[in-house]
Amino acid sequence: GAGVSQSPSNKVTEKGKDVELRCDPISGHTALYWYRQSLGQGLEFLIYFQGNSAPDKSGLPSDRFSAERTGGSVSTLTIQRTQQEDSAVYLCASSSRSASPLHFGNGTRLTVT
Amino acid sequence: QKEVEQDPGPLSVPEGAIVSLNCTYSNSAFQYFMWYRQYSRKGPELLMYTYSSGNKEDGRFTAQVDKSSKYISLFIRDSQPSDSATYLCATRGDTNAGKSTFGDGTTLTVKP
Repeated sequence: GAGVSQSPSNKVTEKGKDVELRCDPISGHTALYWYRQSLGQGLEFLIYFQGNSAPDKSGLPSDRFSAERTGGSVSTLTIQRTQQEDSAVYLCASSSRSASPLHFGNGTRLTVT
Repeated sequence: QKEVEQDPGPLSVPEGAIVSLNCTYSNSAFQYFMWYRQYSRKGPELLMYTYSSGNKEDGRFTAQVDKSSKYISLFIRDSQPSDSATYLCATRGDTNAGKSTFGDGTTLTVKP
């Protein structure tokens, strides 16, 4: 079946603008995760959803970052008033339950100019 | 100090070589250990998933976990140019609801 789908694949925005990143998880996967990967770096955890609830938001770097998940499926990560340090690849992953390994999308490459 | 430290590389080997990739971790609560492979401009894909100490083999790949020394390894036998990628180790405990902690990755190049 289809894997995790993320859109857009690339996004260039001006400093100060808001952006929305979308994630479509694998059908039936109840757990959904957002990670951020800066150039040459590992994956930085942002937020975890179980169903539509977010029991762990500990990785969101500031209140400019928010995320929601609706219908236990699609998730949107929103970054308000973008800054140059927000430039990174934003990766979404899903798993069939929280104890299972993660399946990643190909990410959204965000560039803030 | 990061919870997961990974040998930074980069690593360059000739085709057919045995490759050893290594990580250490600090949190004794970690119970699950994963290796992901990431090609350029792609998302990480799961290679190996193991629980607790021991070895797991899958084709040319062997994952090894030593919880007593908090050391995890991935061995690649008969390496191929198609193995050229960044390899990420990751760990997770039982109680943190599936959140995985990743190393920074080791970039491997296998030369024909």
